[in-house]
Amino acid sequence: AQTVTQSQPEMSVQEAETVTLSCTYDTSESDYYLFWYKQPPSRQMILVIRQEAYKQQNATENRFSVNFQKAAKSFSLKISDSQLGDAAMYFCAYRRAGNAGKSTFGDGTTLTVKP
Amino acid sequence: KAGVTQTPRYLIKTRGQQVTLSCSPISGHRSVSWYQQTPGQGLQFLFEYFSETQRNKGNFPGRFSGRQFSNSRSEMNVSTLELGDSALYLCASSLDGSLAGPDTQYFGPGTRLTVL
Repeated sequence: AQTVTQSQPEMSVQEAETVTLSCTYDTSESDYYLFWYKQPPSRQMILVIRQEAYKQQNATENRFSVNFQKAAKSFSLKISDSQLGDAAMYFCAYRRAGNAGKSTFGDGTTLTVKP
Repeated sequence: KAGVTQTPRYLIKTRGQQVTLSCSPISGHRSVSWYQQTPGQGLQFLFEYFSETQRNKGNFPGRFSGRQFSNSRSEMNVSTLELGDSALYLCASSLDGSLAGPDTQYFGPGTRLTVL
């Protein structure tokens, strides 16, 4: 079974600084997708960024970028120029290709942004 | 385009009762998945429906069931409620649950169920 591990239950960053959230996963599959979701106190889960395993290039979305290391099964999220609105719980998620609709989530990392 | 909507947003039930939660996906989306979120177990997959058929199922007891209608709206039902069923229930929709693509899931705001 696939597992997703987020080893940092809590992280904090100073406003305007950069922070990296870690995620590792375990799978024997070669074709899969990885996602980072943000869940603010409102509880609405919002997609931050996604990565296809077959793509070597790391995904970026404005201030958010990932470091995808397929061989190491690592998928970290870097947030640059952190803003107060980035404070939330961040979840790393895995979905095997062909296993539509079923994602496996990590336990989450709570990010605090200090003004 | 409207997002995923879930009703009701909050629900309080007592042990032994049953409950039905509703999810309306984004227009055009045909795949609907349900997740249970608790502080102790995190986010766990319940089941996924596509074209009115359950296509994927997580490891939950038979008290948890669901269905999908022809307009892609989905309901999940929990019978004989237990205290441990207290959780945030999240619904997520995706375009067609394509087996060939990343097909991102978009989440609703959730239904907070409290079992007393």
